[in-house]
Amino acid sequence: QKEVEQDPGPLSVPEGAIVSLNCTYSNSAFQYFMWYRQYSRKGPELLMYTYSSGNKEDGRFTAQVDKSSKYISLFIRDSQPSDSATYLCAMTRTSYDKVIFGPGTSLSVIP
Amino acid sequence: DSGVTQTPKHLITATGQRVTLRCSPRSGDLSVYWYQQSLDQGLQFLIQYYNGEERAKGNILERFSAQQFPDLHSELNLSSLELGDSALYFCASSVTDNQPQHFGDGTRLSIL
Repeated sequence: QKEVEQDPGPLSVPEGAIVSLNCTYSNSAFQYFMWYRQYSRKGPELLMYTYSSGNKEDGRFTAQVDKSSKYISLFIRDSQPSDSATYLCAMTRTSYDKVIFGPGTSLSVIP
Repeated sequence: DSGVTQTPKHLITATGQRVTLRCSPRSGDLSVYWYQQSLDQGLQFLIQYYNGEERAKGNILERFSAQQFPDLHSELNLSSLELGDSALYFCASSVTDNQPQHFGDGTRLSIL
């Protein structure tokens, strides 16, 4: 079993839809959680960075962490074609530890 | 633009050869990280340097080595290249040796 799992998709939604992207993990020691967006032929771009459980909102993006279920989510409201990309979840035990990335979910937002 | 610069963008070479990938971190960042991304393995951590010193090692092969120079730029050296080394190699940097990391746009390495 991999440490971090994501549904690879592809996920296709119409413009304006609410998108839910999810990751599950096996190591209960993970405390720092991140979401990266990666466009084709580009490097991952940090979207959200959260510590421990709870919600964090930034514009159209909301990150949720449920440590009891070892489950994290990224919600995208009012999705746009420019949101079409691969979304990678990532996590680490401490802020000084190596980061473990999920395999990514490919998202397409159709105009 | 993340501020992390990687050169070259593309590299095509043959098996058995040696290549050097270069990374300039964001201004002010002391930590540099190297990752390999392939279709079947995803994004894999290779090695981290902090202010010139090796800080952490991941799944880095013995044929690979890296260093960080006094001006904080870093180089990843890949030798005795094999077909399976074909991948995207990313560099990331952060202010100190904690998160979050900011990524460059990678070097695409193709081994023929």
